[in-house]
Amino acid sequence: AQTVTQSQPEMSVQEAETVTLSCTYDTSESDYYLFWYKQPPSRQMILVIRQEAYKQQNATENRFSVNFQKAAKSFSLKISDSQLGDAAMYFCAYRTQGGSEKLVFGKGTKLTVNP
Amino acid sequence: EAQVTQNPRYLITVTGKKLTVTCSQNMNHEYMSWYRQDPGLGLRQIYYSMNVEVTDKGDVPEGYKVSRKEKRNFPLILESPSPNQTSLYFCASSLSLIDSSYEQYFGPGTRLTVT
Repeated sequence: AQTVTQSQPEMSVQEAETVTLSCTYDTSESDYYLFWYKQPPSRQMILVIRQEAYKQQNATENRFSVNFQKAAKSFSLKISDSQLGDAAMYFCAYRTQGGSEKLVFGKGTKLTVNP
Repeated sequence: EAQVTQNPRYLITVTGKKLTVTCSQNMNHEYMSWYRQDPGLGLRQIYYSMNVEVTDKGDVPEGYKVSRKEKRNFPLILESPSPNQTSLYFCASSLSLIDSSYEQYFGPGTRLTVT
């Protein structure tokens, strides 16, 4: 079974600086998808960025980018120019292929942004 | 507006009293799923449905039932709730195509407390 590990329960960053959240996963599949979701205090789950495993190029969405290392099974999220609105829980997720299309989530990293 | 709705948003109930949490999506999505979120555990899949009349168990199905009589609705039923089912529940939906990376859209969450 696939597992997702987020080794940093909490992180903090100064406003306007850069922070990197770590995620590793375990799988025997060769094709899969990876996601980062943001959960602000409102509890809404918001998709931040996605990565297809067959793509070598790292995904980027404005201030958010990933460092995808397939061989190392690592999928970190970099937030540049951090803003107060970035404060939230961040979940890394792996999507299984076929069948259940289940998202397997890590336990989350709580990000605090200091003014 | 494309969205997934859940009702109720908050519910406090007593052990053994049957309850239903409704989920509805207006995006004509084939795939729907229920997750529960518990502190320190991330989100875990309860049940999912690939289409009308097609449902299957996720990772933590014990104590729950679901049905999919219409494409837009996917209610979660707790026949005899117990305190260990106190949690935050999310419904999600997406298009369902093999090998797709379609985003899963999440509802706003239902906070359930069983006393």
